[in-house]
Amino acid sequence: KQEVTQIPAALSVPEGENLVLNCSFTDSAIYNLQWFRQDPGKGLTSLLLIQSSQREQTSGRLNASLDKSSGRSTLYIAASQPGDSATYLCAGSYNFNKFYFGSGTKLNVKP
Amino acid sequence: DTGVSQDPRHKITKRGQNVTFRCDPISEHNRLYWYRQTLGQGPEFLTYFQNEAQLEKSRLLSDRFSAERPKGSFSTLEIQRTEQGDSAMYLCASSASQGSPYNEQFFGPGTRLTVL
Repeated sequence: KQEVTQIPAALSVPEGENLVLNCSFTDSAIYNLQWFRQDPGKGLTSLLLIQSSQREQTSGRLNASLDKSSGRSTLYIAASQPGDSATYLCAGSYNFNKFYFGSGTKLNVKP
Repeated sequence: DTGVSQDPRHKITKRGQNVTFRCDPISEHNRLYWYRQTLGQGPEFLTYFQNEAQLEKSRLLSDRFSAERPKGSFSTLEIQRTEQGDSAMYLCASSASQGSPYNEQFFGPGTRLTVL
């Protein structure tokens, strides 16, 4: 059974800190790993997608890495800002038919 | 705005009633997904379409749930004889089978269902 776990469940940091969010998955035969942001009561916003042939992707202050052998992905946020406060979700797919989501990390960046 | 749209955004219904939700994907996307999300949890997969064909259904999708994508464009999700346990956010996503990045999912704003 494919499972995705995100640690920590919640994180509170002061503005300006660099931080790392973790995502682990049980089946290393992952095809895609996608990171999302979700604001309260809203849909999901795609941040980064890493395909199995890639090891990392970068967008602005965000960097996501994928290590299939260890079953882990990390999302690195540089110089965090209060506007980064949201829930961050990772999702893995093993074919094109579905994505398995973690429960998310709720991030609070304090001014 | 050419993103994924969902209608309605909110639905309140009484137990036992039927409800139908609509999703309009990004126009060039041939893949469409439905998910259900409850408070504090990540989205759970319900069903997947490629063009008009429904290729996968979760065991979560009981016989009270049915989804269609009649012309390979918009999709509907119907819940018959709603139960209080159906209360959740229903999310739709779409992706393309070609182009880069490959199969990146884009989500709509969701339909929040409350069953009284």
